[in-house]
Amino acid sequence: DAMVIQNPRYQVTQFGKPVTLSCSQTLNHNVMYWYQQKSSQAPKLLFHYYDKDFNNEADTPDNFQSRRPNTSFCFLDIRSPGLGDAAMYLCATSRDRAAEQFFGPGTRLTVL
Amino acid sequence: AQSVTQPDIHITVSEGASLELRCNYSYGATPYLFWYVQSPGQGLQLLLKYFSGDTLVQGIKGFEAEFKRSQSSFNLRKPSVHWSDAAEYFCAVGSFNNDMRFGAGTRLTVKP
Repeated sequence: DAMVIQNPRYQVTQFGKPVTLSCSQTLNHNVMYWYQQKSSQAPKLLFHYYDKDFNNEADTPDNFQSRRPNTSFCFLDIRSPGLGDAAMYLCATSRDRAAEQFFGPGTRLTVL
Repeated sequence: AQSVTQPDIHITVSEGASLELRCNYSYGATPYLFWYVQSPGQGLQLLLKYFSGDTLVQGIKGFEAEFKRSQSSFNLRKPSVHWSDAAEYFCAVGSFNNDMRFGAGTRLTVKP
C-alpha cells in the first residue's frame, strides 16, 4: 500500500542535543509538509516543500530546519531542542497544495 | 485571512445516537474543505473532502458533511455513532495554491 512512513515513532533527546526526524513516502507526491502538534491542539504547519522549493512559515523558529534530498524523503532537523519543542511531529504529503493531505503516524518527541 | 472555527471543544454522545460536529470557516476565495479524524497517538486520516459540485459529501466510516456557503459551514454528521468513533476530529480549509489550515479540533467521547 502507498503510504507515509515516519521514523522513529518515539524519540527521546536531551535539552540542546540535535535531533533528526525522518519521513518517507511511496505516493510520489510533489508536496511534503511538517507539522508540530502539541497536546489537545491542532497541527501547526512548520514548513513544506513543493518539489524542491522550500517554504517556511513565518513563525517557525530558526531552530527548526528541513531537508528534502529526493522526492521520497524529507527530514526535520531540530538544532537545539528545548523543553517547549516536545510534541508530536507529523509529516504529510499531497499531490499539490490544493489536494488532500496524507499523514504519517507521527513521531512523538520527548526532551529531557 | 483564512480561518477555521470548531465551536465545540468536546462532545459526548451515547453509542447509537446521531452526531453533528460543527465547522465554520472564513475565507476570501472558494474554499476546499476537509474533515480529518485522529485517534490518540496517531496521524490524521481523511474522512471526506469538498472541492466543488454536490454540497452533500459522503465519506468513509459512514460520515457525511454538508457545505453551506450561505452559512460558511461544513458540518460533519453521522446517523449512528459507534464506540470506535471516539477520537479527535479536525476540520480544515484550503484553496488553490494555499496551505491547509486546521480548526482547533473537537474531541468526541462515546458513552456505552
